[in-house]
Amino acid sequence: SQTIHQWPATLVQPVGSPLSLECTVEGTSNPNLYWYRQAAGRGLQLLFYSVGIGQISSEVPQNLSASRPQDRQFILSSKKLLLSDSGFYLCAWTTGSPLHFGNGTRLTVT
Amino acid sequence: EDQVTQSPEALRLQEGESSSLNCSYTVSGLRGLFWYRQDPGKGPEFLFTLYSAGEEKEKERLKATLTKKESFLHITAPKPEDSATYLCAVQALNFNKFYFGSGTKLNVKP
Repeated sequence: SQTIHQWPATLVQPVGSPLSLECTVEGTSNPNLYWYRQAAGRGLQLLFYSVGIGQISSEVPQNLSASRPQDRQFILSSKKLLLSDSGFYLCAWTTGSPLHFGNGTRLTVT
Repeated sequence: EDQVTQSPEALRLQEGESSSLNCSYTVSGLRGLFWYRQDPGKGPEFLFTLYSAGEEKEKERLKATLTKKESFLHITAPKPEDSATYLCAVQALNFNKFYFGSGTKLNVKP
């Protein structure tokens, strides 16, 4: 069966520090991969998605970037975090529909 | 512009008191509509996929229905363990993108 792993589960980082969140999927090949951000009490905002290795589509111009170095690995990065980057970051995968989510990373920028 | 709106934002029910959650959508060609359940601090858990108007899906106390402009999640005789945030999402004809509503936070009191 397919599983998705996201880490770390929680992260507290100072303003201006770098960020790297990693997501890996097991049990499937050639998935579409997604990064979403969820602000407190809000819906999911699509940040990036990828249909293949090295292929990244950005939905919202911001302080973040994404990379897909391997078929089942998706990385969310920032060179310098802002306070506004705080939130709940979710990775998801699909091979058509529906989306399947990891358990998220709670990022607090102080 | 593709858009998903959920109502109400929050709903408090007594155990056994049936009700419905609404998801209205505007999308340039619907490939699918999805319902998810999200518990605090967790990633969304997939519940249902609906593809065409008139379609219905059921799971325990939950029943999802779809029209050309909206979907309803009916909750029959809810229990406290049904308390969660319920999210609605649509997949556009450009099937790489999934758009989410802001969710309905359901609280079922014993």
